[in-house]
Amino acid sequence: SQTIHQWPATLVQPVGSPLSLECTVEGTSNPNLYWYRQAAGRGLQLLFYSVGIGQISSEVPQNLSASRPQDRQFILSSKKLLLSDSGFYLCACRQGKDTQYFGPGTRLTVL
Amino acid sequence: RKEVEQDPGPFNVPEGATVAFNCTYSNSASQSFFWYRQDCRKEPKLLMSVYSSGNEDGRFTAQLNRASQYISLLIRDSKLSDSATYLCAVMPDYKLSFGAGTTVTVRA
Repeated sequence: SQTIHQWPATLVQPVGSPLSLECTVEGTSNPNLYWYRQAAGRGLQLLFYSVGIGQISSEVPQNLSASRPQDRQFILSSKKLLLSDSGFYLCACRQGKDTQYFGPGTRLTVL
Repeated sequence: RKEVEQDPGPFNVPEGATVAFNCTYSNSASQSFFWYRQDCRKEPKLLMSVYSSGNEDGRFTAQLNRASQYISLLIRDSKLSDSATYLCAVMPDYKLSFGAGTTVTVRA
């Protein structure tokens, strides 16, 4: 089974600063990868998903972007953070037909 | 209407009790269903998939009702360690849609 790594675990950033969150996966090849955000007390919102290197689909318009430079690496970025970008960012990997497993997450606070 | 809706709870139950809650979904074409458990400030962890015939895993039983478009989770003989938020997930197409979660608190 795969292992999903995310870093950093926690991040505090000022409004207007850039962002880069990284997700790497071990134990599988050519995975489908996903970025979710969970705002405080709310459900998981799918932000991006990727079926392969360089292939990114965006689910919601926003000031975030994603990239997949390598098969098992998925990066979430922003050029200028907003207060509303605060939340718990989760990377997920699909295994089998439909099942998704999550990484440990990055908790982002924008001040 | 949200794709997936859950009663947020909280469900406060004593140890040993049975607790059950539902999750409704709007897309009748949904094919895959899951329950995840999420502890405070942690990532969701897959609890179980939900099969058409219903399935059981120890003290946990999941059911699917396609006619009424809901899935359910029942926890028997609740343990303190069952305290968590339970998220349902439904796959209507290529992606999973999650409910906001049902919080369960088991008290001694």
